Amino acid sequence: AQRVTQPEKLLSVFKGAPVELKCNYSYSGSPELFWYVQYSRQRLQLLLRHISRESIKGFTADLNKGETSFHLKKPFAQEEDSAMYYCALINAGGTSYGKLTFGQGTILTVHP
Amino acid sequence: DARVTQTPRHKVTEMGQEVTMRCQPILGHNTVFWYRQTMMQGLELLAYFRNRAPLDDSGMPKDRFSAEMPDATLATLKIQPSEPRDSAVYFCASGLPRNTEAFFGQGTRLTVV
Repeated sequence: AQRVTQPEKLLSVFKGAPVELKCNYSYSGSPELFWYVQYSRQRLQLLLRHISRESIKGFTADLNKGETSFHLKKPFAQEEDSAMYYCALINAGGTSYGKLTFGQGTILTVHP
Repeated sequence: DARVTQTPRHKVTEMGQEVTMRCQPILGHNTVFWYRQTMMQGLELLAYFRNRAPLDDSGMPKDRFSAEMPDATLATLKIQPSEPRDSAVYFCASGLPRNTEAFFGQGTRLTVV
């Protein structure tokens, strides 16, 4: 069974500080992982995906298969980064192809 | 600007009543997901469909929840009878398998009193 775990429900940092949102996963195959973000009064939307190896709004995430982790990082947090962040995993094959599973979410607050 | 549309946005109902939530996926998307958002569990997958066929509804309490896609432009989630513990925000999302990005609706906030 696929599973995504985000151990921190709340994370607070000050503006300009580094931030890391943790995500661990459990999946028997080769995972495809994502980070989604929900800003206040907006829809949940895709932030980045590991296969793209891109930096979005200064955020990056590296897939570590040895540690089964996909932590989201940003070197200098901004107040506009305050939001709910979800880590997600999609089943890329088999009978559950396309099944998209999310973690519990982390609320990030960046203080001025 | 194509978007997933959910109705109603808010619903307050009494325990024991039937609740129906509706979702209009983005035209052309053949995969539809239903999620329940709570503080404790985060986003729980209730069910998902591909080409209107249910692929997995193992996350859904079968005795009271049901999900259907009467046609490609409508997905429904029903709760009968509703209970206070069903109070949550319910999200619908749609996408295409090869794209893998899911596009979310604004959610239905359900309160069962």
